[in-house]
Amino acid sequence: DAGITQSPRHKVTETGTPVTLRCHQTENHRYMYWYRQDPGHGLRLIHYSYGVKDTDKGEVSDGYSVSRSKTEDFLLTLESATSSQTSVYFCAISGTSGGPDTQYFGPGTRLTVL
Amino acid sequence: RKEVEQDPGPFNVPEGATVAFNCTYSNSASQSFFWYRQDCRKEPKLLMSVYSSGNEDGRFTAQLNRASQYISLLIRDSKLSDSATYLCVVRSNDYKLSFGAGTTVTVRA
Repeated sequence: DAGITQSPRHKVTETGTPVTLRCHQTENHRYMYWYRQDPGHGLRLIHYSYGVKDTDKGEVSDGYSVSRSKTEDFLLTLESATSSQTSVYFCAISGTSGGPDTQYFGPGTRLTVL
Repeated sequence: RKEVEQDPGPFNVPEGATVAFNCTYSNSASQSFFWYRQDCRKEPKLLMSVYSSGNEDGRFTAQLNRASQYISLLIRDSKLSDSATYLCVVRSNDYKLSFGAGTTVTVRA
C-alpha cells in the first residue's frame, strides 16, 4: 500500500470553528489531492497540488483552502466549518515518473460539523 | 449533467454468477478510464485501467466504447470477496479525475 496517512481520522466540531486536516505521504509523489465523498455523489475534487507551493482549485473549493510547504504534506483547512461540510475527506497522491493517472488514496477523515 | 454516471445498483448475485454493469461519461475528449473498488467505509483502490481494445484481469473484464461513451465491467465467477462498490473513473485532458458515484455489488453465498 502507498504510504499515505491522514489525520485526524475522525473529528466532530461545531459550526464556525476552523478545522485543519493533514495528509502525509512517504512516496515522494508530485501530485496530491483532496476530495470529499458524500452519499449519491462521486468523489469530488476540492483542491489539488502539483508541487510544493503549487495548488489549484477543484470543483467544490468554496469554503476550503490548502497549503503545501513540503512535498510530503498537504493541508486542507476549513476556515469556518459549516454543516454542509460534514463529509468523508480523502487525500490522494499520484505521479512518480509518469502522469497522475493512478491515484492512491489515504484512509479518509470522517468530519462531522454540528 | 454529471460527468460520469453509474447505475447505483445494488446488484445482488449468487456466488459463481456473472455480473456486468456500465457507466457513461459526458466528455468526448476523455482520455483515460479506470475502475476503482471501494469497500464499505474504506478508501478507493484501483481495480484496473480500461484500454481501447478491452482488457482482462483474472475474472474481471473491462470494455470501452468511445462512440457511445460508456465503459463496462464484467465480473465472472463472483466471489463473496467481490462485494464492494465499483467506481467508474475518467480523466479528461488535464490531470484531474472525475468519479462516478459507484455501483454496489453484493455477492451472496
